[in-house]
Amino acid sequence: QVQLVESGGGVVQPGRSLRLSCAASGFTFSNFAMHWVRQAPGKGLEWVAIISYDGRYKYYADSVKGRFTISRDNSKNTLYLQMDSLRAEDTAVHYCARDHRSGGSSYFFDYWGQGTLVTVSS
Amino acid sequence: QSALTQPASVSGSPGQSITISCTGTSSDVGGYNFVSWYQQHPGKAPKLVIYDVSDRPSGISNRFSGSKSGNTASLTISGLQAEDEADYYCNSYTTSSTGVFGTGTHVTVL
Repeated sequence: QVQLVESGGGVVQPGRSLRLSCAASGFTFSNFAMHWVRQAPGKGLEWVAIISYDGRYKYYADSVKGRFTISRDNSKNTLYLQMDSLRAEDTAVHYCARDHRSGGSSYFFDYWGQGTLVTVSS
Repeated sequence: QSALTQPASVSGSPGQSITISCTGTSSDVGGYNFVSWYQQHPGKAPKLVIYDVSDRPSGISNRFSGSKSGNTASLTISGLQAEDEADYYCNSYTTSSTGVFGTGTHVTVL
């Protein structure tokens, strides 16, 4: 069955960096675009970034553009989110999610991980 | 990119139908049929219940249906059940090749 397992969250000071990972299994990872979505405590969902199935295309929300970098290693079935210059407002549970459409992107998320909490605080 | 607008809360009695609206612009909801809906129970990851405006993933009850008119998409839950009590979010593709979620709606089953 499809599984997505995030890791790498924790407490970090403002201005510092953190890298999240998402280990995928149960499907052909290299066929699917992947997304990061986050949710601040008690708040709604916020789309963060997408990477195409082959890693050629990447798009970001304005709130993280220039600070976050999405990447993937299809040989390791792993998705990453490098988060630099972290701010208090980046505090959230970060989810990785699979795009619904194989070989393309639909911006529908059919499988989600359990999320990893990032807390930015001094 | 501003969040899509949803009502903060909607309620209904068991067996009734409710509809949640999701209003965007011609740059997102109105411009594409890439609208999806997610159900989220407390402490859980979101779950896809509608995609492509009105399609249901395998395993999702046919009590969930979606539609769109202009810049507003809607999710209807018919035959409301206690297990439907949750937060619901819409999402759309945008002209900037990004995604945008709605503000979220809490559904209460009275």
